[in-house]
Amino acid sequence: EAGVTQFPSHSVIEKGQTVTLRCDPISGHDNLYWYRRVMGKEIKFLLHFVKESKQDESGMPNNRFLAERTGGTYSTLKVQPAELEDSGVYFCASSPLLAGHFNEQFFGPGTRLTVL
Amino acid sequence: AQSVTQLGSHVSVSEGALVLLRCNYSSSVPPYLFWYVQYPNQGLQLLLKYTSAATLVKGINGFEAEFKKSETSFHLTKPSAHMSDAAEYFCAVSDSGGYNKLIFGAGTRLAVHP
Repeated sequence: EAGVTQFPSHSVIEKGQTVTLRCDPISGHDNLYWYRRVMGKEIKFLLHFVKESKQDESGMPNNRFLAERTGGTYSTLKVQPAELEDSGVYFCASSPLLAGHFNEQFFGPGTRLTVL
Repeated sequence: AQSVTQLGSHVSVSEGALVLLRCNYSSSVPPYLFWYVQYPNQGLQLLLKYTSAATLVKGINGFEAEFKKSETSFHLTKPSAHMSDAAEYFCAVSDSGGYNKLIFGAGTRLAVHP
């Protein structure tokens, strides 16, 4: 079974440009999460989808970030326009939706974004 | 609000020595606690979890952690370090069984020397 995949693995862009990150969750996982780690700091939650709906987007830093999950399958995270402080590693995670059970979050390898 | 503090951003041990990675948490509700490991160029992998059952939790690769409510701690240990244990380790807390967001500590990078 394929794990969570993320594309690209690395992205280097200039300030003001637009970047779109993609996450493909494990097949059948209704929960999809985005997290970000700025260099040297803790991994921070950005948002949570249940199927195609945003369950919690309390961690989104500002309106330059737009996340979508059309059809409840893969998700994209767009940053427009990118700023220097957006640099970091963006992780995606997915988990099944099992009522009354522990829902382990499975993480992808991350996308390292560098804004120059 | 929940939070996690990992003491020591870098820990270095000799091969065969005890590994102790410290984690303290803050939570207003009974917490779910996790340790994740990240090997180079890989995603985070769940090592073990505490979900209010046994306070001593055994995980993969010989790691274990003990939940101590009185000390609000969930330290990770392994009796004998192996070179392959070199990685970054993250402690995390959740107010649910993993459904809701995870709150992470800043991570501890473990180096193992021969």
